[in-house]
Amino acid sequence: GAVVSQHPSRVICKSGTSVKIECRSLDFQATTMFWYRQFPKQSLMLMATSNEGSKATYEQGVEKDKFLINHASLTLSTLTVTSAHPEDSSFYICSAAFPAFFGQGTRLTVV
Amino acid sequence: GIQVEQSPPDLILQEGANSTLRCNFSDSVNNLQWFHQNPWGQLINLFYIPSGTKQNGRLSATTVATERYSLLYISSSQTTDSGVYFCAVDTGRRALTFGSGTRLQVQP
Repeated sequence: GAVVSQHPSRVICKSGTSVKIECRSLDFQATTMFWYRQFPKQSLMLMATSNEGSKATYEQGVEKDKFLINHASLTLSTLTVTSAHPEDSSFYICSAAFPAFFGQGTRLTVV
Repeated sequence: GIQVEQSPPDLILQEGANSTLRCNFSDSVNNLQWFHQNPWGQLINLFYIPSGTKQNGRLSATTVATERYSLLYISSSQTTDSGVYFCAVDTGRRALTFGSGTRLQVQP
């Protein structure tokens, strides 16, 4: 199957700082990638669709100015959590390809 | 949007037992996948099964698209099968809508 790599796997940051998460397709080109968020003991919820060379599409209720998505190449999408606050602490995970394959996920803790 | 319901929410088994997990969805789907989320959070692809039956070792899955449900069978369960099993569907956007999951605990 397709290989999707996500980095970092775990990050702790101070409240008010920004954090960048990378999602790479290693053995294929991805014009579209997806970002999901998972709170503890809950399911995964789609946050946004990342489109290579164009603006991301955000789901209802997701603040596009807080969660900046850039898909500048066919193998890389980045999610930047800006001015992070403790309520942004969560597990963030990306996917690409059809059928979907997922990166390893990033556990973000904001202190 | 589409609704995806999984049952049971929690399941405790003794090692060696068999189990059936169910996924009901409320609309037609282009894609249905089953995943196992391990304790580190990684989602492991189990099956891509929009219809029909597939088997992979001790696991098998059946999707009856006309009746809008899918079943995941785990036979001779092992402690390493513990974790959360998710069913996820795609209605044509390629993005997935996940069910709430079944948390499986296999005891030695």
